Amino acid sequence: AQSVTQLDSQVPVFEEAPVELRCNYSSSVSVYLFWYVQYPNQGLQLLLKYLSGSTLVKGINGFEAEFNKSQTSFHLRKPSVHISDTAEYFCAVSRGGNTPLVFGKGTRLSVIA
Amino acid sequence: GAGVSQSPRYKVTKRGQDVALRCDPISGHVSLYWYRQALGQGPEFLTYFNYEAQQDKSGLPNDRFSAERPEGSISTLTIQRTEQRDSAMYRCASSWDGFNEQFFGPGTRLTVL
Repeated sequence: AQSVTQLDSQVPVFEEAPVELRCNYSSSVSVYLFWYVQYPNQGLQLLLKYLSGSTLVKGINGFEAEFNKSQTSFHLRKPSVHISDTAEYFCAVSRGGNTPLVFGKGTRLSVIA
Repeated sequence: GAGVSQSPRYKVTKRGQDVALRCDPISGHVSLYWYRQALGQGPEFLTYFNYEAQQDKSGLPNDRFSAERPEGSISTLTIQRTEQRDSAMYRCASSWDGFNEQFFGPGTRLTVL
């Protein structure tokens, strides 16, 4: 079975500051890793994904994440946040193929002007 | 269509009534997934289909919940004899390929009074 732990339920950060949202996973098999973003009153949107290859993955809106197999982590980073980045962020894992995603509980990022 | 659509967007019902939630996936997508998201939590898997075949229904909480996708396109999630604990956001997602990028619909917010 797989599980995902998002260590911070809420992260407040000032505009233009860097941010890191932490994600750790547990799995007995190789996994695919994802970050989704949910803006208020909208559906989930894929930010980025790790399937294989380079452990540094770049996504939309200036976000990137690094897969660390030894630490079973997939932390999300952005060097300078904007007010518009205020949203809920979900880390997810799957076994690959057409299989369901297992999500963490989410981290609410609040960007303060 | 351009994206995954779900209807209704909001549903308020009385305890004991049956409800049917509809998902229209992106045209041509093979797989369709249902998730349930409680307030302050990440989405939790309910069931999924490849074409019209239900592949896994292990996430359905009890036998009041059922889903179908008879022609391999539109899917309906039915909850019989609704209870207050069924109140949640119900999300549908679809995917095309084995890289498992799932595209989410806006969700149906179900409230059981």
